[in-house]
Amino acid sequence: QKEVEQNSGPLSVPEGAIASLNCTYSDRGSQSFFWYRQYSGKSPELIMFIYSNGDKEDGRFTAQLNKASQYVSLLIRDSQPSDSATYLCAVLEGGSYIPTFGRGTSLIVHP
Amino acid sequence: DGGITQSPKYLFRKEGQNVTLSCEQNLNHDAMYWYRQDPGQGLRLIYYSQIVNDFQKGDIAEGYSVSREKKESFPLTVTSAQKNPTAFYLCASSSDGKTGAFFGQGTRLTVV
Repeated sequence: QKEVEQNSGPLSVPEGAIASLNCTYSDRGSQSFFWYRQYSGKSPELIMFIYSNGDKEDGRFTAQLNKASQYVSLLIRDSQPSDSATYLCAVLEGGSYIPTFGRGTSLIVHP
Repeated sequence: DGGITQSPKYLFRKEGQNVTLSCEQNLNHDAMYWYRQDPGQGLRLIYYSQIVNDFQKGDIAEGYSVSREKKESFPLTVTSAQKNPTAFYLCASSSDGKTGAFFGQGTRLTVV
């Protein structure tokens, strides 16, 4: 059974701070890793994906992947109240079309 | 605009009725998926399809059925056999899975 684990939170950070969201996965054959943002009552929106060990940056977002330790993280710099949402981690096994989702971490950015 | 369209946004069903949720995409994606989301449960896979006229059951397929007669369309029927159908239903599509799946706006189904 493939598992993707996230702390449910809520993670509360002040405006302007760095928010750090973490995700661990059980399947060593996983090849692709995704972060989604989901606002309350809305559908998930893909923020970033990463394949290779190391960091990938896109604007205020940085995804970090460490395959040896089987974790992937998302850093949000200069957090804004509009970043308040649930962040879902998803993992895709090599050769598969089906991502496995974690349950999400709730992020609250307070002014 | 390219995207995934789900309809209706809200749906009310009486017990014992079958209902069909629509999902259409114009992204030319091969793979399509149906997920169910309940509070605190995360996303659970109902069915997925990699190509036209082919689909596979996910983790919670009982009480649901799908068809994939066209590449653009992947409707989901919630049958009366589904005992607890009240949930948020999400349709998604992907080109090959590797670059991520893109979601429609979702359909919120309530049994009354």
